Amino acid sequence: AQSVTQLDSHVSVSEGTPVLLRCNYSSSYSPSLFWYVQHPNKGLQLLLKYTSAATLVKGINGFEAEFKKSETSFHLTKPSAHMSDAAEYFCVVSEGMRFGAGTRLTVKP
Amino acid sequence: GAGVSQTPSNKVTEKGKYVELRCDPISGHTALYWYRQSLGQGPEFLIYFQGTGAADDSGLPNDRFFAVRPEGSVSTLKIQRTERGDSAVYLCASSLYGRAETQYFGPGTRLLVL
Repeated sequence: AQSVTQLDSHVSVSEGTPVLLRCNYSSSYSPSLFWYVQHPNKGLQLLLKYTSAATLVKGINGFEAEFKKSETSFHLTKPSAHMSDAAEYFCVVSEGMRFGAGTRLTVKP
Repeated sequence: GAGVSQTPSNKVTEKGKYVELRCDPISGHTALYWYRQSLGQGPEFLIYFQGTGAADDSGLPNDRFFAVRPEGSVSTLKIQRTERGDSAVYLCASSLYGRAETQYFGPGTRLLVL
């Protein structure tokens, strides 16, 4: 059965430092994987998606994620956090459209 | 063009009542999805339409929940005999063709069952 596990419910970083949000998935075949962001009182927005092309995927606002089949991971990274990155982030597997529980990113000045 | 819209934005009802939630997808999008998001949790998949038909309704929690999309555009999520546990934000999304594509989400309907 397909599932998504976001390994951290809350991540706190300082502005200007790297961001790492971790996601592991299980799927019966090579799925499409997504990261969505949800800012307070705003709708869900796509950050990036993996659909079996390049394993390193670049998204909006400087975010990227690397698909690692051997580790069944799809971690989200950004080299330098900005205050506006503070939000809830969701990893999603297309099979069954399963969302992870979310990771709340806090950015400290 | 316009994004996904949902009405009403908020709905307060009493336990046992019937409610309908409406979703207007992006024009031309053949796929439409309903999710439920409880406080502090990720969206939970309910149902996926491809055109007029429900391609996957495995997420509907029980037979009190039903959704339709009669003309392949607007969709209505119907909840009978509402319970307090149904209180959540109900999200609708659409994509051009199917699940492997970007989904565009509406703002949600916040349902409160008293």
